Amino acid sequence: DAGVIQSPRHEVTEMGQEVTLRCKPISGHNSLFWYRQTMMRGLELLIYFNNNVPIDDSGMPEDRFSAKMPNASFSTLKIQPSEPRDSAVYFCASSFGTQDTQYFGPGTRLTVL
Amino acid sequence: SQQGEEDPQALSIQEGENATMNCSYKTSINNLQWYRQNSGRGLVHLILIRSNEREKHSGRLRVTLDTSKKSSSLLITASRAADTASYFCATDASDYKLSFGAGTTVTVRA
Repeated sequence: DAGVIQSPRHEVTEMGQEVTLRCKPISGHNSLFWYRQTMMRGLELLIYFNNNVPIDDSGMPEDRFSAKMPNASFSTLKIQPSEPRDSAVYFCASSFGTQDTQYFGPGTRLTVL
Repeated sequence: SQQGEEDPQALSIQEGENATMNCSYKTSINNLQWYRQNSGRGLVHLILIRSNEREKHSGRLRVTLDTSKKSSSLLITASRAADTASYFCATDASDYKLSFGAGTTVTVRA
């Protein structure tokens, strides 16, 4: 298996633009997680899906952030409009079960100018 | 808030030496996991230890768990330059998610 796939790997955009991050989890995994990592706040869980259904989005910073999982093999995290403080590395991870080993993607490094 | 807290925040050792880092947590757990993150990469799972286990080994890694003290330690023996990375502990903070600590940054000097 190719592991968790994320795209793009790097994204540079200007404040106010819409940003869409993509994730393909490992086939057969039922749980998908979106994290954000910054030097100041470390690794933060943004949202968690189980069987394509959002279970907990309490970590989503504000209404500018939204996430979808239309099927078991694809998820998106959208920021609209983006702001400089959204600059971070965004990771997607998947696992068989909710507390099982999580497999992380390589991350998307987002820079908002 | 973070359930797990790693200590020390940073560690610098000579190649061939052992590296030890600790993780303390606040509430009861079912299992505790350790992950490694190389610079610019995603986290990679290293080892999982269940609450009824006290010690576990995987290659050069040794993990201990003391549920009475709510703490765990990760020992890397005979360190190599490739072990330079950040190490995170993660606990099952709730029914459906893991809580990651802030990490310990390990630098192995040649």
